[in-house]
Amino acid sequence: GQQLNQSPQSMFIQEGEDVSMNCTSSSIFNTWLWYKQDPGEGPVLLIALYKAGELTSNGRLTAQFGITRKDSFLNISASIPSDVGIYFCAGSNTGNQFYFGTGTSLTVIP
Amino acid sequence: GAVVSQHPSWVICKSGTSVKIECRSLDFQATTMFWYRQFPKQSLMLMATSNEGSKATYEQGVEKDKFLINHASLTLSTLTVTSAHPEDSSFYICSASPSGPNNSPLHFGNGTRLTVT
Repeated sequence: GQQLNQSPQSMFIQEGEDVSMNCTSSSIFNTWLWYKQDPGEGPVLLIALYKAGELTSNGRLTAQFGITRKDSFLNISASIPSDVGIYFCAGSNTGNQFYFGTGTSLTVIP
Repeated sequence: GAVVSQHPSWVICKSGTSVKIECRSLDFQATTMFWYRQFPKQSLMLMATSNEGSKATYEQGVEKDKFLINHASLTLSTLTVTSAHPEDSSFYICSASPSGPNNSPLHFGNGTRLTVT
């Protein structure tokens, strides 16, 4: 199946810093989702994007649907220790069949 | 809302045996559910799409006779790993979204850790 390229692969940041990560695809998508996964658990939905150019926020998280429809971005402002985890993007162009990015591992140093 | 429950959360089985994993949507109906597999430190790979009342659709490279999927009702899909081998050891996660507009966000179960000895 398809896999989306996500970068960076990992990040080590100080508490309070902002974080940016992105996801790119060779295919056009109609929907982009961003998830956070803690070890041993299923992914938890953070933000859903449905329209090219859309910018959506969820607390300190902001995500954008790229205008080319082949990419998406996630920003976390003023990071805190509980932001630690693996962040995945997911894209879909048909039905509810989503393909996932390679993941960004975030470590926040207190 | 939109809670997906998966059972069991972990299972250890002997090589050659079969294991069944259940995925339930607790507060919504789902005509379609999805099964993913995740190896350590890797991403989620879509294995198959489970369709209520009809055959599942498998991704390329996924053996349909090994990973049997049954979606008997609008709230339950099962994945049976048949004749399990150690290389089948992985984290299996199901997902679903409420029946309705396409591209509704997926909600995930908490996964099943399968270890084949």
